[in-house]
Amino acid sequence: EPEVTQTPSHQVTQMGQEVILRCVPISNHLYFYWYRQILGQKVEFLVSFYNNEISEKSEIFDDQFSVERPDGSNFTLKIRSTKLEDSAMYFCASGWSLGYGYTFGSGTRLTVV
Amino acid sequence: GIQVEQSPPDLILQEGANSTLRCNFSDSVNNLQWFHQNPWGQLINLFYIPSGTKQNGRLSATTVATERYSLLYISSSQTTDSGVYFCAVDRAGNNRKLIWGLGTSLAVNP
Repeated sequence: EPEVTQTPSHQVTQMGQEVILRCVPISNHLYFYWYRQILGQKVEFLVSFYNNEISEKSEIFDDQFSVERPDGSNFTLKIRSTKLEDSAMYFCASGWSLGYGYTFGSGTRLTVV
Repeated sequence: GIQVEQSPPDLILQEGANSTLRCNFSDSVNNLQWFHQNPWGQLINLFYIPSGTKQNGRLSATTVATERYSLLYISSSQTTDSGVYFCAVDRAGNNRKLIWGLGTSLAVNP
């Protein structure tokens, strides 16, 4: 069964550094998402991406965050200047059509020290 | 917005036991998915089930959309079933972001 692949599985970074989280969605999917989960809390929506542009973003997704689909296969989430409170699991998801289910990657654990 | 409530919040089982996890949602949905988060935090896709019943090995799920609930059945539980089980629903709208419940934390003891 096709999978969404996320790399790295775990990243440790110093506060103030830039990080890029990478995702390879399923190849024929058109809708892409990032979610995050702070330890012990609910999974939260960050951003949705379709047709090479952001279609919706949450309040969490401020100017420190950006997303890109640089080469038609990868989907990246960049955090420009990490803060301690950015420590969380970050999940990428993709879907081929709205409302038909989304496949999630296994996640990247980001630890900001 | 849509509210998603899962019950029970915590569950402890002996290996081999069966269990039923419930997900209630407050409004009509177009999509409902179940996920398993293992103890390492990784998310595993279980079911896409906006209505009806599906089975995958020892796991099965049923969604009764008209009554706004879904059930996840785990039979003959194993220690590897431990983790948190999440239900998430798709709100109506153009972008269909998923709204998540708080999860049911399951511990299966040997």
